[in-house]
Amino acid sequence: TQLLEQSPQFLSIQEGENLTVYCNSSSVFSSLQWYRQEPGEGPVLLVTVVTGGEVKKLKRLTFQFGDARKDSSLHITAAQPGDTGLYLCAGLSGGGADGLTFGKGTHLIIQP
Amino acid sequence: DVKVTQSSRYLVKRTGEKVFLECVQDMDHENMFWYRQDPGLGLRLIYFSYDVKMKEKGDIPEGYSVSREKKERFSLILESASTNQTSMYLCASSHLPGQGDTEAFFGQGTRLTVV
Repeated sequence: TQLLEQSPQFLSIQEGENLTVYCNSSSVFSSLQWYRQEPGEGPVLLVTVVTGGEVKKLKRLTFQFGDARKDSSLHITAAQPGDTGLYLCAGLSGGGADGLTFGKGTHLIIQP
Repeated sequence: DVKVTQSSRYLVKRTGEKVFLECVQDMDHENMFWYRQDPGLGLRLIYFSYDVKMKEKGDIPEGYSVSREKKERFSLILESASTNQTSMYLCASSHLPGQGDTEAFFGQGTRLTVV
């Protein structure tokens, strides 16, 4: 079973601060996805990164895929209370149809 | 608006009952999945299916079975519910790799309590 380790598990910061969430594995993934989940709802896709070294920006969110395609990071600039949620990384391996391997998630709380 | 719909948001069942959780998707996805989500354990895959009548065990299949008679519908069955199956259950669907975008679309979840 491939594992994705996310860190930190919990993070509570003040509005306006910057933060980085990490997603690490010893396995290579063909692509990696980041999801955000709000309480009582299912996860919703934020971004997919495919190429080693790829950087994608989504407004104040910056996603990076490691050169070796084993790790990824999510950086949020000037966090806002609306960023509060559970952030999940998920890796897709090679050719299988068995879907995504999920990390355990990072619970992020942005305090006004 | 694409959708994955789970039949119930909240469910309370008694120990030993047979429980059916239904999931329907309208995106013509080949893949469908059932996960359970527990605090500190994240999303764990129970079963998945890549085609009608096909099913594959995930990481924690014990105590569960599934049924996929139609492409759009994937059912999770708890043959004899136990208290350790109290959890949030999430259904998801996606295209097969090579068949389209591999984004997983999730239902809103079913919070099952077994008493």
